[in-house]
Amino acid sequence: GENVEQHPSTLSVQEGDSAVIKCTYSDSASNYFPWYKQELGKGPQLIIDIRSNVGEKKDQRIAVTLNKTAKHFSLHITETQPEDSAVYFCAAPDAPSYDKVIFGPGTSLSVIP
Amino acid sequence: DAGVTQSPTHLIKTRGQHVTLRCSPISGHKSVSWYQQVLGQGPQFIFQYYEKEERGRGNFPDRFSARQFPNYSSELNVNALLLGDSALYLCASSPTGSAGGYTFGSGTRLTVV
Repeated sequence: GENVEQHPSTLSVQEGDSAVIKCTYSDSASNYFPWYKQELGKGPQLIIDIRSNVGEKKDQRIAVTLNKTAKHFSLHITETQPEDSAVYFCAAPDAPSYDKVIFGPGTSLSVIP
Repeated sequence: DAGVTQSPTHLIKTRGQHVTLRCSPISGHKSVSWYQQVLGQGPQFIFQYYEKEERGRGNFPDRFSARQFPNYSSELNVNALLLGDSALYLCASSPTGSAGGYTFGSGTRLTVV
């Protein structure tokens, strides 16, 4: 089955700086890569996703890049704000049906005012 | 529109007992997936149901079972509770059985003592 690794496990940045979280996956047939944000006491919330037919996708301050050859994808947050502080999870679909996702271990992001 | 609703939000059970967790998906969503999230880890896939049929099962013992009702709501049952079952149980709904478009509820925090 799919194996998703995520780095770093914790990340602290100054407000206004950029944050980058990287994930690798093992199944070259995976074709959908979502990112979730989880705030304390809440369930994960989908913030952006990318499919394998594109290399980059942006949504305001958030972007995701995908390198299918190297089997890794990254989340980029620019101009970080204190409300970006949360745990972020990457995920990838799992064989054989690819209709469920396997989550990475998570990155705890702290944005320091 | 209401999001994914889960009940109860918290509960405490004793080892050996049985528990039933409930989930109501977003109106119009036909797929429900259950995930277990142990503190400090990413969510782990337990079950997926689509149109009342089990579509996938994760690496969990037979003590875990689930079902989906005609109105697409779902129950997760866990028998013979162990201390290690203490976790946040998350329900996610999606319009179809595909991995894209997951919306998570806020979860049920289960503590086994």
